[in-house]
Amino acid sequence: DTGVSQDPRHKITKRGQNVTFRCDPISEHNRLYWYRQTLGQGPEFLTYFQNEAQLEKSRLLSDRFSAERPKGSFSTLEIQRTEQGDSAMYLCASSPTIGTADTQYFGPGTRLTVL
Amino acid sequence: AQSVAQPEDQVNVAEGNPLTVKCTYSVSGNPYLFWYVQYPNRGLQFLLKYITGDNLVKGSYGFEAEFNKSQTSFHLKKPSALVSDSALYFCAVREEDNYGQNFVFGPGTRLSVLP
Repeated sequence: DTGVSQDPRHKITKRGQNVTFRCDPISEHNRLYWYRQTLGQGPEFLTYFQNEAQLEKSRLLSDRFSAERPKGSFSTLEIQRTEQGDSAMYLCASSPTIGTADTQYFGPGTRLTVL
Repeated sequence: AQSVAQPEDQVNVAEGNPLTVKCTYSVSGNPYLFWYVQYPNRGLQFLLKYITGDNLVKGSYGFEAEFNKSQTSFHLKKPSALVSDSALYFCAVREEDNYGQNFVFGPGTRLSVLP
């Protein structure tokens, strides 16, 4: 049973550096979501793809953040010029387009620490 | 805009006793409601959802939830708690036919089951 996978699981970086995270969704899922979760909070929506098209971006997503899903399979989330406030867990989720009412299945997350 | 409230930050229950984790929501149209569980340093695991039909929904690990439209609630329940149920629980809502950032999570409730 292959679920959503994310790489790396942990990333420590210095302020000002760029980081990139990868998400591999469940293979038959067309929708892919990125969320950010800080300690003690629920996930906050960042962006969402249907196949390779990025359909929505949260106003939380500054210009330093960019996401891609070039072939409609895996996705990458890049943060440029990281700031300490970017420290969080970054979660990826995927869902099929039909049959499950967009039930999202989450990966284990990438924990980012910006020093 | 959708919103979710989980009025209790923490719920403590003795092993073997019934548990309830509360959730109330606000949407303009028909709600799709979800419960997820998160164990330490892990992603979210889907427990159950309400889309339509029977107001009592059964899910994974013996959990169930009751949809109450008049009270706009979707409380999570389990007849007999296990120590292994100790985790962070999130309620989420989206409005029918809306995707992306319209999937909103509550702040989470930490459940502690005491042996």
